[in-house]
Amino acid sequence: NAGVTQTPKFRILKIGQSMTLQCAQDMNHNYMYWYRQDPGMGLKLIYYSVGAGITDKGEVPNGYNVSRSTTEDFPLRLELAAPSQTSVYFCASSPRQGEESPLHFGNGTRLTVT
Amino acid sequence: GEDVEQSLFLSVREGDSSVINCTYTDSSSTYLYWYKQEPGAGLQLLTYIFSNMDMKQDQRLTVLLNKKDKHLSLRIADTQTGDSAIYFCAEIETSGTYKYIFGTGTRLKVLA
Repeated sequence: NAGVTQTPKFRILKIGQSMTLQCAQDMNHNYMYWYRQDPGMGLKLIYYSVGAGITDKGEVPNGYNVSRSTTEDFPLRLELAAPSQTSVYFCASSPRQGEESPLHFGNGTRLTVT
Repeated sequence: GEDVEQSLFLSVREGDSSVINCTYTDSSSTYLYWYKQEPGAGLQLLTYIFSNMDMKQDQRLTVLLNKKDKHLSLRIADTQTGDSAIYFCAEIETSGTYKYIFGTGTRLKVLA
C-alpha cells in the first residue's frame, strides 16, 4: 500500500520559473492538504480539498494554485517561483473531516528557489 | 487565531525520560495529537488523546492533558537513539473548518 506519494523529492528552481508538485494517494481519501514546513515555524496550510472538484485556501495560499480533478491526485502549482517559497512541502490526506481522523503524510518535496 | 506553542529543542541522554510540552488555545478541541517526523520523512501519527481523558499510556509513551491550563505533554520513557526526531503536537480547529493546527515542533536529540 503506497499511501501518499509525492514527486519530486528535491527540486531547484530559478526565480520566476514555474513547476508542479505532484501528490497522489491510493487510500480513497476525500480530504487532501498541502502544507509547507519552514525551520522553527511548524507546518502552515497552503490549500486543502474536501473532495474532487472542491478546493479552498489555507493560511498561506499566495503564490500557489491547486486543482482536484480526481479523488487520487492533488497537484500544487507554483507559477512564478520566489525565494520565499524555498521550503519543504508536504501533502497529506485523511478519510474524512473530523477530529478522530488523523492525517497521512507523504515524504515531502524539498524546493529551493535561487 | 488559534496557536500551538512548543519549545524548539530538547536534548536527553539515552535511557533517560524525555518530556515534550505543548500549549494550545482551542479549549473545544476534542482530540489532541502527537506526530513524529524522522529525518527526510513526513509526519507520522504517534498517539492522540481524547479531551475527556487526563492521561493515556501506550508502551513507552505517556500523554498528559491539563485542560484547565491547555497544556499537553508527551513523556517518552527509556529514550533511545531511535527516538531522535521532531515531535509536533496538533489540535483541530472546531469552528467548522476542522483544519489541523500544528505546533512549531520540538527537535529531540538523544545522546548515547
